[in-house]
Amino acid sequence: GAVVSQHPSWVICKSGTSVKIECRSLDFQATTMFWYRQFPKQSLMLMATSNEGSKATYEQGVEKDKFLINHASLTLSTLTVTSAHPEDSSFYICSAPGQNNSPLHFGNGTRLTVT
Amino acid sequence: QKEVEQDPGPLSVPEGAIVSLNCTYSNSAFQYFMWYRQYSRKGPELLMYTYSSGNKEDGRFTAQVDKSSKYISLFIRDSQPSDSATYLCAMSLRSGSARQLTFGSGTQLTVLP
Repeated sequence: GAVVSQHPSWVICKSGTSVKIECRSLDFQATTMFWYRQFPKQSLMLMATSNEGSKATYEQGVEKDKFLINHASLTLSTLTVTSAHPEDSSFYICSAPGQNNSPLHFGNGTRLTVT
Repeated sequence: QKEVEQDPGPLSVPEGAIVSLNCTYSNSAFQYFMWYRQYSRKGPELLMYTYSSGNKEDGRFTAQVDKSSKYISLFIRDSQPSDSATYLCAMSLRSGSARQLTFGSGTQLTVLP
């Protein structure tokens, strides 16, 4: 089945620094990937749609200059949290549709803690 | 009113019990219905995927969709402690599109040994 790999699984950084999270589709190509954020005991909130070869589409209320998305190849999308603040601490999850637009498959998430 | 309603639980059952998880929704245009299982500190894992109304069975899991009642269910037979997780229902107008994917809030399940 479709596998989405996300790295790192957890990261701690200092306020003001930037953090890059990678999302890879391992056995299929994904022209589109999606980035979610999840707060404790809450459901997933779609942040943005990552499009291979073009600009990402951000959901309302998500700062595109803060959450930089790059989709440089058919198997890799990156989310960079710039100038991180403690309120950016959260669980970030990427996903991609499988073959023939099958349902979304999710990565294992990245727990970001900003101190 | 939320577009998808899901009882957040928590739900605790003894090992071997039959578990019933449910979601209701308001948008009659939803065509694709999914159940995801999410372990603590992990990403959601696709469990079941159904299109339109009907039942689908996979091992101990059965998914039911009743479009006339706008109601979907996931049944877990012979529940195991390893089934302890949060279960998220999700539905969409079309498959593979996150922008049209609506999640329930998740039900936290604990299966006690």
